[in-house]
Amino acid sequence: QAVLTQPSSLSASPGASASLTCTLGSGINVGAYRIYWYQQKPGSPPQFLLRYKSDSDKQQGSGVPSRFSGSKDASANAGILLISGLQSEDEADYYCMIWHSSAWVFGGGTKLTVL
Amino acid sequence: EVQLVESGGGLIQPGGSLRLSCAASGFTVSSKHMNWVRQAPGKGLEWVSVTYGDGTTYYADSVKGRFTISRDNSKNTLNLQMNSLRAEDTAVYYCVRAADYIFDYWGQGTLVTVSS
Repeated sequence: QAVLTQPSSLSASPGASASLTCTLGSGINVGAYRIYWYQQKPGSPPQFLLRYKSDSDKQQGSGVPSRFSGSKDASANAGILLISGLQSEDEADYYCMIWHSSAWVFGGGTKLTVL
Repeated sequence: EVQLVESGGGLIQPGGSLRLSCAASGFTVSSKHMNWVRQAPGKGLEWVSVTYGDGTTYYADSVKGRFTISRDNSKNTLNLQMNSLRAEDTAVYYCVRAADYIFDYWGQGTLVTVSS
């Protein structure tokens, strides 16, 4: 089973909210991890958005709008990137990442389409 | 201004070796955690290796025993020696700085193509 699983694609309308999930594998407890989120647009390297472990342990990337936020769903064992007030410029690939078993691990990425 | 510029990519035959370099400016590589992350054409991100400030290094299982990460503090560069290359190593390789474990600066990447 994969360490991190992300849906391959997600579509949402401008102005709406999008919830991107990052599900941790069996035996990997989401509560114990800082989850990092990166955004990548075509032809460019990724950019750090935010990291989230808890409401008292979180960090927003420099210049990243507050409409990008992180949370967790313990019942689903998942990290969540919530993007509110979607804009066309949010169309991109989004990757989650954790440090697990002495390695950084990326999720497979979610392609977000804003239409 | 922080900049990372990778070099050394190219076309190499399976089984061959290649050495990537990353020239850093605006900071000293010895003071930061430094990573290599790769992305195969049309695919997602894959972390390759990290060298922490204390010299500790870690590798992805897919490259362990074949790749070696190192710093040259005199030249302020990060290197990746890649041996026994395979077709599945074909990717854009990014040099990435980490501050407080956040991958905050990425280079533009260098393409490595492993093919006969």
